[in-house]
Amino acid sequence: KNQVEQSPQSLIILEGKNCTLQCNYTVSPFSNLRWYKQDTGRGPVSLTIMTFSENTKSNGRYTATLDADTKQSSLHITASQLSDSASYICVVSVVRGGATNKLIFGTGTLLAVQP
Amino acid sequence: DVKVTQSSRYLVKRTGEKVFLECVQDMDHENMFWYRQDPGLGLRLIYFSYDVKMKEKGDIPEGYSVSREKKERFSLILESASTNQTSMYLCASSPGTGYGNTIYFGEGSWLTVV
Repeated sequence: KNQVEQSPQSLIILEGKNCTLQCNYTVSPFSNLRWYKQDTGRGPVSLTIMTFSENTKSNGRYTATLDADTKQSSLHITASQLSDSASYICVVSVVRGGATNKLIFGTGTLLAVQP
Repeated sequence: DVKVTQSSRYLVKRTGEKVFLECVQDMDHENMFWYRQDPGLGLRLIYFSYDVKMKEKGDIPEGYSVSREKKERFSLILESASTNQTSMYLCASSPGTGYGNTIYFGEGSWLTVV
């Protein structure tokens, strides 16, 4: 069964600190993995996208890693800011026949950055 | 910037009403999607469309239908709204779902069925 699991479910950190969010997946055949940021009451916004041959992808203070062998990804946030408070969603794309891959969504990690 | 616009942000409807949720994208994307998002469940795919007048069922299509008469517009229809359809509905579009294709989401439509 194709599944994406994220941990922790929620996290509270102090402003300026770093944190790492985890994503484990059991998906086959794998196409790519994406991280999205979703502010409360808004739609998700893309942070990174990686295919199996990429180990690391950065977007400003956000760095995603991917280990295709162990089927794990992480999102590292450096020097957190209050505006980083949001839900972070891991999405894995599964290759399937036809025009469109299937997207499997994790349930997200809710991050709260406190002053 | 790509823009995916959902026409209604907040709706309150009565049980049994027919509900239309409209979504428009301005980037000539082939693919459009409707998801619903519920706490603890993540995003679940209702329907998607890969071309005008083409549609495929997602994981939870029961109680919903869709319409794509024009490339830029994808509508979600609740034929007879029920309280278990109270949720946040997200529309998305993309040129594809392979590597390199970003999926863009709208701001969401919060539907309450009473």
